[in-house]
Formats: sequence, C-alpha cells, structure tokens
Amino acid sequence: DAMVIQNPRYQVTQFGKPVTLSCSQTLNHNVMYWYQQKSSQAPKLLFHYYDKDFNNEADTPDNFQSRRPNTSFCFLDIRSPGLGDAAMYLCATSPVLAYNEQFFGPGTRLTVL
Amino acid sequence: GIQVEQSPPDLILQEGANSTLRCNFSDSVNNLQWFHQNPWGQLINLFYIPSGTKQNGRLSATTVATERYSLLYISSSQTTDSGVYFCAVGVAEYGNKLVFGAGTILRVKS
Repeated sequence: DAMVIQNPRYQVTQFGKPVTLSCSQTLNHNVMYWYQQKSSQAPKLLFHYYDKDFNNEADTPDNFQSRRPNTSFCFLDIRSPGLGDAAMYLCATSPVLAYNEQFFGPGTRLTVL
Repeated sequence: GIQVEQSPPDLILQEGANSTLRCNFSDSVNNLQWFHQNPWGQLINLFYIPSGTKQNGRLSATTVATERYSLLYISSSQTTDSGVYFCAVGVAEYGNKLVFGAGTILRVKS
C-alpha cells in the first residue's frame, strides 16, 4: 500500500544534541510538509517542500532545518534541541500545492532530556 | 490569517449515541479535511471535503463553503471512536498549508 513512513516512531535526545527525523513516501507526491504538534495542541506547519523548492513558515525557529534529497525522502534536522522542542513531529504529503488532500505519517514523538 | 474554530471542545457520549461536531472558518478555503487522532498520535484522514456531503460508514460530513462551516456526524458511536477530531483548512495562495482548529475531544463510554 502506498503510504507515508516516519522513522523512528519515538526518539529521545539530550538537550543541545542534534537530532534528525526521517520521512519517506511511496505516493510519489510532489509536496512534503513537516508539522509540529505539542501536547494538547493542534499541529502547526514548520515548512514544506514543493519538489526541491523549500518554503519556511515565518515563525519557524532557525533551529529547525530540512532536507529533501529526492522525491521520496524528507528529513527534519533540529540543530540544538531545547526542552521546548519536545513534541510530536508529523510528516505529510500531497500531490500538488492546492486543491488536494494531505496524507499524514504516523509521527515521531521526540523527547528531550 | 485564516481562523478555524471547532465546537464543542469536549464531548462525552454513551456508546450508541449520535453526535455532531462543527467547524467554522473565517475565509474561503480550497481544502477542508477532517481527521481523527488516535491515542498513539496518528492523524487518520476521515474526509477531504472542501464542499458538499460525503459518507463513510457511520461517519458523514457536510461542508457549506458559502457559509464557511463544516459538520462531522458520528452515528451509533463506539468506544473506538474516542480521540481528538480535528478540522483543518487550506488556502491555495498560502501553499495549501493546513491550518488546524483546536480539536474536539470525544470520549465514548461503554
């Protein structure tokens, strides 16, 4: 089945230690999104890629970076995680930018010690 | 930016009861989706419904785009329906990013 896969499902890191979260998709969609969801809150978009075109949300901290080496994979890098970065990180894809449904992966729950 | 409001914030149902969840949005949208977030945190797509009515089993949804609201109906609720229901809207000129409502927490008691 075509799907969005996120690895790992649970990630523990130490304060200030860089961490990378991974997302892959077999849907062959052009757009990949990263959302952050803190406890008891709604998901919030960090950035998205349309093909190789990177689009950062205005309020996304510089601590968060992303890479998309090919259509299938997208990575979220947190350069120096703080305690406030503990959250669920959700990857989503859609065929194009507009008028299309977004499909979400299972998420990676990040704990910062 | 666009505002999304969901009501009610919390809902407790007895198994077998019906419910209606509402989503109001402040501007025209190109995308509207309903999700169920399960206890493990995964967002399950329920409906992609920028306008019109759709049904899937015990669930159905209606979006009246001209009046800027959407409704999610759950009939004959089951304990497995428990979780958080999110409405999210997207606008093409903003890259179709989804703006989520605060969610409705549903608890179904057996």
